Amino acid sequence: SQKIEQNSEALNIQEGKTATLTCNYTNYSPAYLQWYRQDPGRGPVFLLLIRENEKEKRKERLKVTFDTTLKQSLFHITASQPADSATYLCAWYNFNKFYFGSGTKLNVKP
Amino acid sequence: DVKVTQSSRYLVKRTGEKVFLECVQDMDHENMFWYRQDPGLGLRLIYFSYDVKMKEKGDIPEGYSVSREKKERFSLILESASTNQTSMYLCASSWEDSNQPQHFGDGTRLSIL
Repeated sequence: SQKIEQNSEALNIQEGKTATLTCNYTNYSPAYLQWYRQDPGRGPVFLLLIRENEKEKRKERLKVTFDTTLKQSLFHITASQPADSATYLCAWYNFNKFYFGSGTKLNVKP
Repeated sequence: DVKVTQSSRYLVKRTGEKVFLECVQDMDHENMFWYRQDPGLGLRLIYFSYDVKMKEKGDIPEGYSVSREKKERFSLILESASTNQTSMYLCASSWEDSNQPQHFGDGTRLSIL
């Protein structure tokens, strides 16, 4: 069965550094991946989508890469700020369903 | 901005009760989804609907049913609530195309006693 995995351990980084989060998938290759941000007590909010034929996608301080050989997507936040602290989820679409990872919690310390 | 509204933020019910969770979206989206979110398990799809009166089972439909009588409203029903259905329930909507982002409500934290 298709599976999508994110590091369950929290990532703690210092303000101003680049945060890098990982999303790995197994079995089927998704046509595209989506990344969401979720704050405590709130629903996820869509951030970025990257297609399998795109190596990289950027939006302001955010960058997503997609490596179909490694079956991995990386999500980068450059010049991180305490306000970036949240849980980040990756998701992919296959067979009429979305599959979400369990998310990685990012803590940015001032 | 898309708005997805879930009827309750917190709900406490008793074992065996029939529970209704309501979700309304204001963007005329074709697709609507119900998920539950549990620590360490992430978001798991319960049911989704791609049109009025249409529904498809997700990964964990047992113990749940859904209703979509109008395009903007998607209801999740717990037929006979059990303690293992205590969870955060999230509703989402999206346009028809499969690569469209999902827009989520803020969730209903349901406790079954």
